[in-house]
Amino acid sequence: DIVLTQSPLSLSVTPGEPASISCRSSQSLLHSNGFHYLTWYLQKPGQSPQMLIYLGSNRASGVPDRFSGSGSGTEFTLEISRVEAEDVGVYYCLQGVETPLTFGGGTKVEIK
Amino acid sequence: EVQLVESGGGLVQPGRSLRISCAASGFTFDDYAMHWVRQAPGKGLEWVSGISWNGVRVAYADSVKGRFTISRDNAKNSLYLQMNSLRPEDTGFYYCAKDHVSELDLCEKWGQGTLVSVSS
Repeated sequence: DIVLTQSPLSLSVTPGEPASISCRSSQSLLHSNGFHYLTWYLQKPGQSPQMLIYLGSNRASGVPDRFSGSGSGTEFTLEISRVEAEDVGVYYCLQGVETPLTFGGGTKVEIK
Repeated sequence: EVQLVESGGGLVQPGRSLRISCAASGFTFDDYAMHWVRQAPGKGLEWVSGISWNGVRVAYADSVKGRFTISRDNAKNSLYLQMNSLRPEDTGFYYCAKDHVSELDLCEKWGQGTLVSVSS
């Protein structure tokens, strides 16, 4: 099974400052169709997860443009250009290039 | 608007069975793959199982293979998870999720979850 390793485990950010989360995969997430099957989610406290970024760098509908995804092969990054109070929660990456699908362990983001 | 409503969770003894369901609305159900994802209390997300749009392709996490069975009824816009030989480590919230395509790629939209507790 593909293992996804997220770092850091937690992050404390001042509002208005940037934040970056890494997701490293044990195997390439490049599909034969040319897309990277890496998705980012945010689970706010007490809520179900919501999709932020899919296919590595595509922002989901309704997601603010301060969120961006990048990367290729086995290394991916989620960046928040200016963190806001509503961005607190746990961020997860998910690979879908092969089954079983697997999640990273999560990165908890708090506001200073 | 996509709506996914899980039901059927509850307290069950180890070794017993339970079937949970997900009622879908707001989209053409048989166009999309579907998934079950669980979350133990205070822990991270774990993908459990997925099923393609027509039910031909199914996949499971190693932790549930041979014990859990995913199925769907496209006529009823419903997804199911039959859980047998339940263990305490199966305890958690079980989320139903809609894919963005007909095959198994990702979880686009999520329900609110149903809680399964396995304890004697």
